Amino acid sequence: AQTVTQSQPEMSVQEAETVTLSCTYDTSESDYYLFWYKQPPSRQMILVIRQEAYKQQNATENRFSVNFQKAAKSFSLKISDSQLGDAAMYFCAYRNIQGGSEKLVFGKGTKLTVNP
Amino acid sequence: GAGVSQTPSNKVTEKGKYVELRCDPISGHTALYWYRQSLGQGPEFLIYFQGTGAADDSGLPNDRFFAVRPEGSVSTLKIQRTERGDSAVYLCASSLRRIRHTEAFFGQGTRLTVV
Repeated sequence: AQTVTQSQPEMSVQEAETVTLSCTYDTSESDYYLFWYKQPPSRQMILVIRQEAYKQQNATENRFSVNFQKAAKSFSLKISDSQLGDAAMYFCAYRNIQGGSEKLVFGKGTKLTVNP
Repeated sequence: GAGVSQTPSNKVTEKGKYVELRCDPISGHTALYWYRQSLGQGPEFLIYFQGTGAADDSGLPNDRFFAVRPEGSVSTLKIQRTERGDSAVYLCASSLRRIRHTEAFFGQGTRLTVV
C-alpha cells in the first residue's frame, strides 16, 4: 500500500520569505500523481499544485513550486514571497494513475504559520 | 452552486444514534469520494463512486458505515449506531469522469461530534 509521510508537524516563516515543506512517499508504481493541498480553517481542501510522475520537469504555480525527486521518492513544496494568506495546513497526497481506485492517500499535514 | 456542497456543516449526535451526511457534487461530475479526517490527521479514504455504483468501498471501517448515490449525483453517507470514535470531519469531493488529468474538488466538510 502507498504511504505518504510529512515529517514537519509545524513550520513558520516570516512574511515575504521562502519556506519549504517536506514530503516523502512510498510506492511500487512507476506512474502516479502527487499533490499539495492547502486546508484553511474553513476546512475546504484547495489544490495548490500537481506533479505527474512521468514528467521530469518540476511543477510551478506562481509562488508555489515543487522539488520532485522520483528516485528518492521525495516531493517538497517551496513557497516563495510568503503571504499572510498562506497560513494553513498543507497536505501532501498521492494518487495512482493505473488500475484500481482513484483515491488520494494523504500525509498527516504540516501547519504553516506566517509571521508579519 | 458552483462548488461541492455538504450538509449539515456541523452535526452533534448522541452515541448509538443514526446519522446521515449529504454531499451535492459539482454538476456533471461523475466521480464522487468520501473521506474522513480525524483531529490532527490527514483525510482518509472511505469510498469512491463512479456514477451510481461504488467502485471502491475498501476504506469503510466497518458495516456501520454505508453510502449511496442512487441517481449518480447527490450522495449520502450513513452511519448507524454511532460511536464516540466516529467523531471527525467528513469530507466529500467530486471530479469529472475518470480521465488522466482529473482534479478532485472538495466541499467544506461536515464536522460530526458524537457525545
